[in-house]
Amino acid sequence: EVQLVESGGGLVKPGGSLRLSCAASGFTFSSYSMNWVRQAPGKGLEWVSSISSSSSYIYYADSVKGRFTISRDNAKNSLYLQMNSLRAEDTAVYYCARVGGDYAYWGQGTLVTVSS
Amino acid sequence: EIVLTQSPGTLSLSPGERATLSCRASQSVSSSYLAWYQQKPGQAPRLLIYGASSRATGIPDRFSGSGSGTDFTLTISRLEPEDFAVYYCQQYGSSPGLTFGGGTKVEIK
Repeated sequence: EVQLVESGGGLVKPGGSLRLSCAASGFTFSSYSMNWVRQAPGKGLEWVSSISSSSSYIYYADSVKGRFTISRDNAKNSLYLQMNSLRAEDTAVYYCARVGGDYAYWGQGTLVTVSS
Repeated sequence: EIVLTQSPGTLSLSPGERATLSCRASQSVSSSYLAWYQQKPGQAPRLLIYGASSRATGIPDRFSGSGSGTDFTLTISRLEPEDFAVYYCQQYGSSPGLTFGGGTKVEIK
């Protein structure tokens, strides 16, 4: 069974940093591109970043470019999101997701709150 | 960059009624890469439809998807109580990353 479990969320002050992790199991992690998607309270889904299976291709939404860094460790079956210079508008539930043709697997999400 | 616009924002219907949700793309989207999700409060999105018209595993046949190019539709033939939720369209493959529509909330009238 495919499982994605996020961790690392919490309360952080504006300008602060946080590192999210996503532990993957139930599939060959090193074979798949992975994504981070966020959802602000009461709002819709917003794609944040994607990384290819071997980390050769990395993409970011304009709203986080230059502040967030996506990475992965295929030996540890883990996906990461380093978030720096956090702003109030980054407050959201952050989901780790594996999305493809006929499948979509999402974690349960981890809440990041940016507030003084 | 492709923008997906969903309408209406909210749909107020009664159980047993038919729901028709629209997703319009700012430029042509490959049908192979257009999906629909359902999301309930406090839960992660659940894949309903992929490839514009194929139901994901375990999805009841009252859910159907159609469309091509820039216009796509999700139809729920007869609303069940558990179908009241928010629905998102999503595309991938046409540009880096994933693109989501703004969502349509289907609420009980």
